[in-house]
Amino acid sequence: SQQGEEDPQALSIQEGENATMNCSYKTSINNLQWYRQNSGRGLVHLILIRSNEREKHSGRLRVTLDTSKKSSSLLITASRAADTASYFCATALGGANSKLTFGKGITLSVRP
Amino acid sequence: GAVVSQHPSWVICKSGTSVKIECRSLDFQATTMFWYRQFPKQSLMLMATSNEGSKATYEQGVEKDKFLINHASLTLSTLTVTSAHPEDSSFYICSARDGTGNYEQYFGPGTRLTVT
Repeated sequence: SQQGEEDPQALSIQEGENATMNCSYKTSINNLQWYRQNSGRGLVHLILIRSNEREKHSGRLRVTLDTSKKSSSLLITASRAADTASYFCATALGGANSKLTFGKGITLSVRP
Repeated sequence: GAVVSQHPSWVICKSGTSVKIECRSLDFQATTMFWYRQFPKQSLMLMATSNEGSKATYEQGVEKDKFLINHASLTLSTLTVTSAHPEDSSFYICSARDGTGNYEQYFGPGTRLTVT
């Protein structure tokens, strides 16, 4: 069964607004990663946060991790139409060689 | 950055035939490669993990005799869908990890397989 569960499943916002996507998981993890997928394309790695980290930033992206609640959030600030894509969280249970387990994904639509 | 390619990007084949999909790491050595399949509007499901020079480890429910994986070199892994059926139609994505202990997986652009 899948480890990550994102919500909402679909999100539609206006360009310039912030988009917040949440991910919950069930077991202890080593790290959690967020990926973006444009329609019909492969995945692009956005950001990785380790279990001992609480927050990370990368450009317009901000990721938080709450291991006590087994949840993570991805915030995209000042969204652009080009941010329209599906976003997935993925968890790794072990170390560097462990496999990733993906959530169901969130479809983000940014209206110009 | 690390680049992973897949070939072909799409393929249409008839039922009963076999199709081979290649996954290459272009600028790094991939000690581990992963194969996923993705149905429309769904998430990625891991099919198998392959380490260079050894047999692939398949996830539960994935038929190893139907989905043959070969990771013969540090830059190439292949997935062969044998005796394809229409239900095998899907988007197949590979990813690769280098041997530096980096947690990141680098994903290929995917291969769209349609079995008629």
